[in-house]
Amino acid sequence: QKEVEQDPGPLSVPEGAIVSLNCTYSNSAFQYFMWYRQYSRKGPELLMYTYSSGNKEDGRFTAQVDKSSKYISLFIRDSQPSDSATYLCAPHNTNAGKSTFGDGTTLTVKP
Amino acid sequence: DTEVTQTPKHLVMGMTNKKSLKCEQHMGHRAMYWYKQKAKKPPELMFVYSYEKLSINESVPSRFSPECPNSSLLNLHLHALQPEDSALYLCASADTGSSTDTQYFGPGTRLTVL
Repeated sequence: QKEVEQDPGPLSVPEGAIVSLNCTYSNSAFQYFMWYRQYSRKGPELLMYTYSSGNKEDGRFTAQVDKSSKYISLFIRDSQPSDSATYLCAPHNTNAGKSTFGDGTTLTVKP
Repeated sequence: DTEVTQTPKHLVMGMTNKKSLKCEQHMGHRAMYWYKQKAKKPPELMFVYSYEKLSINESVPSRFSPECPNSSLLNLHLHALQPEDSALYLCASADTGSSTDTQYFGPGTRLTVL
C-alpha cells in the first residue's frame, strides 16, 4: 500500500466551478500537509500547507485536513482556466526531513 | 530572491556521454534535493544534501553522482545513462530552520538519453 493515495483524475470542469482534490495517507508521522501546483513543463510550486486538522483558506483555495481519518483535501472556488495544472498533495514528515508526493491530479478548467 | 535556478533547461545525450546538471539557490537554505520526474508521475527523491551531508536513496543507480560544492550549489553528474533515465530532473532547496522544511523547486532540466 502506498503511503499517499491521491484521486487520479484527470478532472475537467467549466470555469467558475468548485473543484475538490483529495488524498489519503497512512503514515501517522506526517505533520504538515502541502499542496503543490505544477504547470506543464515546469517545476512544482508550493500552493499552501496546513498543520493541524481543520481548514486553511488562501484566496480561492482552501486546504482541509482530517487527521482522524487521514484525509486531506484542496478546494478551489470560482475556478479559472489559469488553474489548469497538476496538483500534488505532499504530506511532510519533519523528523525524516522529507515529503511524500501523491501521484497528482491533472485539472483542466474550460472557459 | 526566492528562486532556484537550474541549467541547462534541456539536455540530449548519448549513452556514452558524461554530462552534469547544475542547480543554484541564494536563499540561504541548507538542504538541497535532486528529484527525478517521469511524465504523469510525481517527483521521486534521488538525493538530499542537508548541511552539505549527503543522504542517498538506495535505489538510485551509481551512474548518477551528486556533488555539493557549497551550500548554494548542487550538481548532478551523469555517466553511462540509459534511455529509461530520460525524465525531468528537478532541484529543490529547503529552509531546514523552519518546521515545515518547505521546498522550493527549480524549473527542471528535461533530459533525453538516446
